[in-house]
Amino acid sequence: KNEVEQSPQNLTAQEGEFITINCSYSVGISALHWLQQHPGGGIVSLFMLSSGKKKHGRLIATINIQEKHSSLHITASHPRDSAVYICAAPSNFGNEKLTFGTGTRLTIIP
Amino acid sequence: EPEVTQTPSHQVTQMGQEVILRCVPISNHLYFYWYRQILGQKVEFLVSFYNNEISEKSEIFDDQFSVERPDGSNFTLKIRSTKLEDSAMYFCASSARDREADTQYFGPGTRLTVL
Repeated sequence: KNEVEQSPQNLTAQEGEFITINCSYSVGISALHWLQQHPGGGIVSLFMLSSGKKKHGRLIATINIQEKHSSLHITASHPRDSAVYICAAPSNFGNEKLTFGTGTRLTIIP
Repeated sequence: EPEVTQTPSHQVTQMGQEVILRCVPISNHLYFYWYRQILGQKVEFLVSFYNNEISEKSEIFDDQFSVERPDGSNFTLKIRSTKLEDSAMYFCASSARDREADTQYFGPGTRLTVL
């Protein structure tokens, strides 16, 4: 069973700050998912990455498969980035269930 | 852009009643999932479904739960006799590729309240 840990649990920052959210997992995997959960509850997939780095707009995700660690960065943070960010690891068999982290609640203050 | 849809958005039911939560996955996707999130807790896997059968299920998915893809488009989760502890947000998800890790697309969720 894969244990997925995130830090910090809560993060409050001023608009414009560079944000880093960390994720570590216990069992080697082929890829990791980063998800965003809006205040209303809906979940949006941000990234699925298996190596290196991916960038989408102001969001950057990195992964180190050997160290079983991934980070999500937000550059030039904005109040609309306020949400819960969740990392999730698939089972080793691929395209199967996701094991979710507890999430990081991000609040960006104008 | 194609999206996963779920109905209803909110379901209120009495303990012991049966509920059916409905999902329409993205049309060319092959893998389907149900997850749930109890208020204040992390999202938990319930069941995955592929090729018209359950491919994996969690300990939560006991005999009170069942899934079905009755008509090739809808994907349903039935709870036969609801308990108070079934109150949660239920998310359906689907993904495209067979036996390879791929992005899962989530529906907006159904909030189930059991009274």
